[in-house]
Amino acid sequence: GAVVSQHPSRVICKSGTSVKIECRSLDFQATTMFWYRQFPKQSLMLMATSNEGSKATYEQGVEKDKFLINHASLTLSTLTVTSAHPEDSSFYICSAREGQGARNTEAFFGQGTRLTVV
Amino acid sequence: LAKTTQPISMDSYEGQEVNITCSHNNIATNDYITWYQQFPSQGPRFIIQGYKTKVTNEVASLFIPADRKSSTLSLPRVSLSDTAVYYCLVGPPGGSYIPTFGRGTSLIVHP
Repeated sequence: GAVVSQHPSRVICKSGTSVKIECRSLDFQATTMFWYRQFPKQSLMLMATSNEGSKATYEQGVEKDKFLINHASLTLSTLTVTSAHPEDSSFYICSAREGQGARNTEAFFGQGTRLTVV
Repeated sequence: LAKTTQPISMDSYEGQEVNITCSHNNIATNDYITWYQQFPSQGPRFIIQGYKTKVTNEVASLFIPADRKSSTLSLPRVSLSDTAVYYCLVGPPGGSYIPTFGRGTSLIVHP
């Protein structure tokens, strides 16, 4: 299947700093990318949906000024956690899907980023 | 979007066949059924996808009855490395689909 690369896989940052997570589709063009957050022993919670070249759509309760999403190209989306606090520590996962012409609903997921804010 | 219901957990032993059933009573006519596997601290990995009847690949089979209100993921002869969380998702093809995860089924394979 198609490959989605997420970087970094693990990051530790100080409280108050910002962290950027990259998500790249390596062998296909991702018109749409999704960002999820997952706490221990819980399911993936959708944070936002981003379409290339337009503003992201955030889920209810997700602060768009805190979680900045940029999807400037068909192969790259970034999530920036601004002014991070310990409660932002979590596992962040991106997903990418091919464009409108996709025949099915298969979405491809990155390997995830473990963020720890100290 | 069709809501899915799965057992929270299952236990099995090495070499056994495991069947995980997912209920999706409100599945729409054009929805596909997709199963993902997730290991701790990793992103979900696609296992199998189907629309009706039976689909088989090198790792699993997916059984979908005629009414499509449920589906069963079948893992033949599981091993310890199949211990993971398995998610069932339903949704339409194309640009409108947003993968939404339910609670999933935590499968533990014992020696």
